[in-house]
Amino acid sequence: SSELTQPPSVSVSPGQTVSIPCSGDALSRHFAHWYRQKPGQAPVLVIYKNTERPSRIPERFSGSSSGTTVTLTISGVQAEDEADYYCQSAGNSDTYKIFGGGTKLHVL
Amino acid sequence: QVQVVQSGAEVKKPGASLKVSCKTSGYTFTIYAINWVRQAPGQGLDWMGWMNPNSGKTDYAQKFQGRVSISRNTSISTAYMELFSLRPDDSAVYYCSAGDYMDIWGKGTPVIVSA
Repeated sequence: SSELTQPPSVSVSPGQTVSIPCSGDALSRHFAHWYRQKPGQAPVLVIYKNTERPSRIPERFSGSSSGTTVTLTISGVQAEDEADYYCQSAGNSDTYKIFGGGTKLHVL
Repeated sequence: QVQVVQSGAEVKKPGASLKVSCKTSGYTFTIYAINWVRQAPGQGLDWMGWMNPNSGKTDYAQKFQGRVSISRNTSISTAYMELFSLRPDDSAVYYCSAGDYMDIWGKGTPVIVSA
């Protein structure tokens, strides 16, 4: 299967920790990457290769992987983290990309 | 600094073709893959295709096969995405992204397809 499944939305209170899962068979064969997108803006890479964090991304963002599920975790959530989050991996080959449907993070 | 600058907004008639450019700067154009991603209003990210700017090799999403073409002009560090036989449901923001993990994004090119 070349699909990635994410929950449509999750909610969290400021200062708490939230985890966003992404599941799909492709994740057992290919790395996953995560993007944050705020309204009217281009996506921003926040995690790559399942667990790596770009230097410009705060340490509160982390990623993990187990079997066919990867998870983005945000610790100490801040209001500015409210956004859509997308996982991305590969399909039949490394050059064939697939995106999850996205998860809207609500910061209460 | 490393950046990607896309061409401006477009309005097209159904059946027409679209060509969006993606000019890169701040790095050697041929070292990072180029991906094109689109986003319809209120919808998620939809990957369209990939190109190796060094070899010109491409890979396209199955849903766009035969209707999309990604190319480049290495002399001006610019990639292009052409979409043919436009339909109203092709109205979207089209993004160019560079990098091994799509870490450099353009601001997007809004496209409206309407009679």
